Amino acid sequence: DTEVTQTPKHLVMGMTNKKSLKCEQHMGHRAMYWYKQKAKKPPELMFVYSYEKLSINESVPSRFSPECPNSSLLNLHLHALQPEDSALYLCASSQGIGTRDEQFFGPGTRLTVL
Amino acid sequence: GQNIDQPTEMTATEGAIVQINCTYQTSGFNGLFWYQQHAGEAPTFLSYNVLDGLEEKGRFSSFLSRSKGYSYLLLKELQMKDSASYLCAVRAFNAGNNRKLIWGLGTSLAVNP
Repeated sequence: DTEVTQTPKHLVMGMTNKKSLKCEQHMGHRAMYWYKQKAKKPPELMFVYSYEKLSINESVPSRFSPECPNSSLLNLHLHALQPEDSALYLCASSQGIGTRDEQFFGPGTRLTVL
Repeated sequence: GQNIDQPTEMTATEGAIVQINCTYQTSGFNGLFWYQQHAGEAPTFLSYNVLDGLEEKGRFSSFLSRSKGYSYLLLKELQMKDSASYLCAVRAFNAGNNRKLIWGLGTSLAVNP
């Protein structure tokens, strides 16, 4: 299995809603990532987990809360989002966070905040 | 600061060869990656360079010169399906001295028949 899966594919939420994005990989990778991508822009790193511990938080607002329940799963909890948070949210994984470790991306969740 | 430059758009003809350049200035250097991203899809890994020279992988090759802060992606025998955005990313260090990928803005390649 060389796939990173993400659910849901699309999500529409209001500014007062609470929702979660889910990501799963079964490649035995020990690093997992959340990215945010706006149209015609590169992915923007949000969080990195290494061996189930948060190793990088790129000064992301607290309305985004990551969680890594185990080495295969990564969640992103969303609460009180703003319309400008509408974007494609990508999950990625890599064997580790060493030099050669290319990241494998999931298909993304297209989020719209109304 | 961290900076990666690549052309915004390129156009080429089916069957031809195209070279997409990338120049970078980063805090440290731990390897350079090229990713392909079709519209509405996730990026997919194409190549990795950490030493100077050319890495060849089928129709795609990538070159690196660390002293010049320069890389290129070479696509041969272009096919229509190669129309996509090509992202150059350098693994460098952030303010907290953690390794992270610094991404270029991407080059949108259009392959015409």
